Amino acid sequence: GDSVTQMEGPVTLSEEACLTINCTYTATGYPSLFWYVQYPGEGLQLLLKATKADDKGSNKGFEATYRKETTSFHLEKGSVQVSDSAVYFCALSVQGAQKLVFGQGTRLTINP
Amino acid sequence: DSGVTQTPKHLITATGQRVTLRCSPRSGDLSVYWYQQSLDQGLQFLIQYYNGEERAKGNILERFSAQQFPDLHSELNLSSLELGDSALYFCASSVDPSPGYGYTFGSGTRLTVV
Repeated sequence: GDSVTQMEGPVTLSEEACLTINCTYTATGYPSLFWYVQYPGEGLQLLLKATKADDKGSNKGFEATYRKETTSFHLEKGSVQVSDSAVYFCALSVQGAQKLVFGQGTRLTINP
Repeated sequence: DSGVTQTPKHLITATGQRVTLRCSPRSGDLSVYWYQQSLDQGLQFLIQYYNGEERAKGNILERFSAQQFPDLHSELNLSSLELGDSALYFCASSVDPSPGYGYTFGSGTRLTVV
């Protein structure tokens, strides 16, 4: 079935460090791919998305590129801030399916 | 504020009891999705409604049921509660029946069964 695998956390970085959170997927057909972020005590918020191969989603300094050849959608940011501390979820949606499939989430902590 | 409203925010109840969680979708959204988030299971899809009709079922227990009303709000009913039902329950909404452009999530209801 369709699935998403994220790098295991937790991930702890210093402020201004570079971030990569790996995400790979297995899907029938050509999925749309998403990154969601969950801040403490809140619901999930859509961070960015890409709907076809080679598309790059970007928002708030975060980027992810839809790589069909490697079935990946890694999240990157060049310089993280303390306010980026949150749990990040990679997800996919297959055309015709009725739900998003989420990865397990990666907890990110940024220290000042 | 995402536009998706969930009530109550917190709920503490005893084993064997029944509770109802409520969700109002974002204005204009016809689809409502329910998810359960627990530490060991992650985000588990429970059920989806589109314009009042059930569209998809996921890992929803028989003790759980849901419905979407004509005004598009949805309720998730959990009965014969067990300790293991303690979790965050999220509602999300989207315009289309297929979430090709993603969902908008509510802030969740934290259920604690004691």
